[in-house]
Amino acid sequence: EVQLVESGGGLVKPGGSLRLSCAASGFTFSSYSMNWVRQAPGKGLEWVSSISSSSSYIYYADSVKGRFTISRDNAKNSLYLQMNSLRAEDTAVYYCAREVDWNYGYWGQGTLVTVSS
Amino acid sequence: QTVVTQEPSLTVSPGGTVTLTCASSTGAVTSGYYPNWFQQKPGQAPRALIYSTSNKHSWTPARFSGSLLGGKAALTLSGVQPEDEAEYYCLLYYGGAVVFGGGTKLTVL
Repeated sequence: EVQLVESGGGLVKPGGSLRLSCAASGFTFSSYSMNWVRQAPGKGLEWVSSISSSSSYIYYADSVKGRFTISRDNAKNSLYLQMNSLRAEDTAVYYCAREVDWNYGYWGQGTLVTVSS
Repeated sequence: QTVVTQEPSLTVSPGGTVTLTCASSTGAVTSGYYPNWFQQKPGQAPRALIYSTSNKHSWTPARFSGSLLGGKAALTLSGVQPEDEAEYYCLLYYGGAVVFGGGTKLTVL
């Protein structure tokens, strides 16, 4: 069974940093691209970043470029999102999602990040 | 900045048929945008329904179908059930970047 479990969310002050993790199981993690998608309270889905299976290709939404860094450790079946210079508008539930051949079929349950003083 | 547009809200009667659409500010949506569709209920993570325009996941009910319609991606629900009341999001792929539509709130009434 495919499982994606996010962790690392919490309350952080504006300008602070946070590192999210996504633990994958039930599939060959190193064969799949992975994505981070977020959802602000009461708002729609927003794609944040993606990383290819071997980390060769990395993309970011303009809203996070230069502040967030996506990475993965295939040996640990884990995906990461390092978030720096956090702003109030980064407050959201952050989901990790698996992608293969443009099929974004599996999502985690999300972790809440709150940026507030 | 690329914008993907969906109907903000739609209402359908139980047993009826409804089509949700997904338009791109860059022009006609084609299969090369690999449209995906997701269903989200309050307090839950999104659930994938359709990928690459019209392909269903193993868990996708048969009443859901995806297509291209008039330059847009479309999600059609035939024989709507009360449990289909939810928010629906489309996703379009732009050569590396991904953009979600703003979502359609579907009410079954």
